[in-house]
Amino acid sequence: SQQGEEDPQALSIQEGENATMNCSYKTSINNLQWYRQNSGRGLVHLILIRSNEREKHSGRLRVTLDTSKKSSSLLITASRAADTASYFCATDPYDYKLSFGAGTTVTVRA
Amino acid sequence: GAGVSQTPSNKVTEKGKYVELRCDPISGHTALYWYRQSLGQGPEFLIYFQGTGAADDSGLPNDRFFAVRPEGSVSTLKIQRTERGDSAVYLCASSLGAGSSYEQYFGPGTRLTVT
Repeated sequence: SQQGEEDPQALSIQEGENATMNCSYKTSINNLQWYRQNSGRGLVHLILIRSNEREKHSGRLRVTLDTSKKSSSLLITASRAADTASYFCATDPYDYKLSFGAGTTVTVRA
Repeated sequence: GAGVSQTPSNKVTEKGKYVELRCDPISGHTALYWYRQSLGQGPEFLIYFQGTGAADDSGLPNDRFFAVRPEGSVSTLKIQRTERGDSAVYLCASSLGAGSSYEQYFGPGTRLTVT
């Protein structure tokens, strides 16, 4: 069963705009991770945020975590065509056994 | 260095046949994972190896599914008597150690189609 749920399911933006997607989860976690997937194949790890962290940055990515609301957000700033992909949050309710949501599909229009 | 590799990239088989899917993890990674991803869904955990042993196979859907990692490196996922519902992308991942604080590196996946 999947514990995380991303919102929205799909997002279409113009190149240069920011994209924000959210993840809600059900049980307590140690860490939350975000992954990107192109063309329905391998996942690329983007960022890991620990349960005692509230915000983390990596390049054009900004992740927030609110453990009281059991939610996280991923912000991609100044989007590019190459950012077109599906984005998944993954939680660790059972440690190594990552639990993924259904993902947010982002389309960046030129 | 080389990432996680999986072969074949695509596999089409008839219902009832046996298939083997191979995963070659990153050298030195002791932990190896198999996930299955159905269309429009996120990956779902199948099995986790620490070294040669299956530390957790709770995600395997039934006894038609089996996985091995005999020398603690390459792993093979085996599916007997395939069914159309087994059609999915099978993803393999490896990590330097066990636990969610270690990044899991994913392979490109094997797309299995059962006709």
